Amino acid sequence: GAVVSQHPSWVICKSGTSVKIECRSLDFQATTMFWYRQFPKQSLMLMATSNEGSKATYEQGVEKDKFLINHASLTLSTLTVTSAHPEDSSFYICAQGGLSYNEQFFGPGTRLTVL
Amino acid sequence: DQQVKQNSPSLSVQEGRISILNCDYTNSMFDYFLWYKKYPAEGPTFLISISSIKDKNEDGRFTVFLNKSAKHLSLHIVPSQPGDSAVYFCAARGNAGNMLTFGGGTRLMVKP
Repeated sequence: GAVVSQHPSWVICKSGTSVKIECRSLDFQATTMFWYRQFPKQSLMLMATSNEGSKATYEQGVEKDKFLINHASLTLSTLTVTSAHPEDSSFYICAQGGLSYNEQFFGPGTRLTVL
Repeated sequence: DQQVKQNSPSLSVQEGRISILNCDYTNSMFDYFLWYKKYPAEGPTFLISISSIKDKNEDGRFTVFLNKSAKHLSLHIVPSQPGDSAVYFCAARGNAGNMLTFGGGTRLMVKP
């Protein structure tokens, strides 16, 4: 399957700061990236779908001004959590849509802790 | 409204025995189903999938069964190994795109 990396793997920040999470496709070009959030002992919740060169599509209830997604190239998508608050603490995972559009290949995830 | 449900949050199985993980869905428009395995603090890894036109798909120790009339699928792992201990998510894809809807996950513990 595809190889997807995320950086950073863990970040701790103060309330009110902005945090950028990078998701890179290492072995082939990803026109579509998915961003998920997982709270402890809960399922993966899709936040948004980003397509290279166009605006991201956000799921209901996800604030687009708070979670900024940029997919400027076929190998890089970024999620910026703006003015982070403790309730934004979560595990954020990106996924690359597979060529067959059946599987998604996930990155290793980024744990965000907002103090 | 949860469209994909995994009603068992955890399952404990003895090594060598069969593990059966269940998943139910409500949306009849789902046309493709997947199972992912996830270790703590890691992203999910794809395990096995099945198209809605099939009722069984097998890959080594892993077999997925689909009962469309009951809107139910299951993952069988046999024989179970301690390394299989992880959280397993089932996911479903609608035919309108490649977006996946995930179940809540089942934590499998395989005891040596």
